[in-house]
Amino acid sequence: SQQGEEDPQALSIQEGENATMNCSYKTSINNLQWYRQNSGRGLVHLILIRSNEREKHSGRLRVTLDTSKKSSSLLITASRAADTASYFCATDSTSQGGSEKLVFGKGTKLTVNP
Amino acid sequence: DTGVSQDPRHKITKRGQNVTFRCDPISEHNRLYWYRQTLGQGPEFLTYFQNEAQLEKSRLLSDRFSAERPKGSFSTLEIQRTEQGDSAMYLCAIKRDSWFTEAFFGQGTRLTVV
Repeated sequence: SQQGEEDPQALSIQEGENATMNCSYKTSINNLQWYRQNSGRGLVHLILIRSNEREKHSGRLRVTLDTSKKSSSLLITASRAADTASYFCATDSTSQGGSEKLVFGKGTKLTVNP
Repeated sequence: DTGVSQDPRHKITKRGQNVTFRCDPISEHNRLYWYRQTLGQGPEFLTYFQNEAQLEKSRLLSDRFSAERPKGSFSTLEIQRTEQGDSAMYLCAIKRDSWFTEAFFGQGTRLTVV
């Protein structure tokens, strides 16, 4: 079963604009990660935020985490056409009997138009 | 280069045939995961290994599926008596240790069952 739900399912913006994607999850987590996937390719890790962190930055990426609302957001600033991809959140969940698997959402498909 | 090589990249097989996929981690990460991803969905967990031990299997992993990781290095995923519903991208991922680390994914093997 998939724990995370990304919102929106699809997002289309112009180059230079900011893109915001949201993720909600259901159970307590150790950390939340965001991954990117170009069409037909494997996933690439973008950023990891621990459950005791509220915000994290990496280059043009900004991730927030609100454990009280069980939600996270990924902001990509000054988007580029090369940012076109699907973006997934994934959680390591403490409530899954100590399982070490990552549980992914369904993803947000981002299109950045030149 | 994510440090994970998967072979083959594409596989077309007839229903009822057996197929085997291979995952070769370049670096020595003791945790290895298999995921399945269908079109428009996020990756779904199948199984994972810590070294050579298979520690968890998803209910998605029916008795037609078997995975091995001899000697704790490369891993194979075999599907027997393939069905059309097995058509998907099969992804391998590695992690250095358990919590608070990112997973590195291979490019995946796309299976088409005709």
